Amino acid sequence: EADIYQTPRYLVIGTGKKITLECSQTMGHDKMYWYQQDPGMELHLIHYSYGVNSTEKGDLSSESTVSRIRTEHFPLTLESARPSHTSQYLCASSEGWDRGTQYFGPGTRLLVL
Amino acid sequence: SQQGEEDPQALSIQEGENATMNCSYKTSINNLQWYRQNSGRGLVHLILIRSNEREKHSGRLRVTLDTSKKSSSLLITASRAADTASYFCATVTIGSSNTGKLIFGQGTTLQVKP
Repeated sequence: EADIYQTPRYLVIGTGKKITLECSQTMGHDKMYWYQQDPGMELHLIHYSYGVNSTEKGDLSSESTVSRIRTEHFPLTLESARPSHTSQYLCASSEGWDRGTQYFGPGTRLLVL
Repeated sequence: SQQGEEDPQALSIQEGENATMNCSYKTSINNLQWYRQNSGRGLVHLILIRSNEREKHSGRLRVTLDTSKKSSSLLITASRAADTASYFCATVTIGSSNTGKLIFGQGTTLQVKP
């Protein structure tokens, strides 16, 4: 069982609100990732981090931002939520490229009304 | 999709039968991984196969990799109702080896009927 946590699990919020999705891992992994997944579809990488103070945008353009102030914490923020942001957001971490395995949190289902 | 296709998109079998899922990808890879996702949950890593490997086993799982055809298959033997889930292949491309970024396929939805 992976030690990676996401809160909240479900979030229903109105348009224009600022939201932060939390992701924490207790495995000491340097690399962390955020993916966006629509129902029944593939995962798209939206942000990743090599380590503290290192963040990069992923392959799918996203209006969200991330920060990595501590190794274990990788929050994702939407400054002004819109209905188009409705999706599932999955956080993951990995030990390093040569091992490659990513450990996923349970996900946050976001619905923006 | 970003990297390739998975086939079939959906598969329904009886308990005890074998299930085979295929994955194709477009660019040269460092490794290919298979993940499982139960409905509405996060993904669980099943198995990783490196580009210089051709076959790997883990319990009831068997994965093959053909880099000349840029394809992989996942075989689940003696399936159980608990195997019902979506299965995704994901690749780490040569260009992304130092970041470990995964590129996912569209997934195969497997239903195993009791």
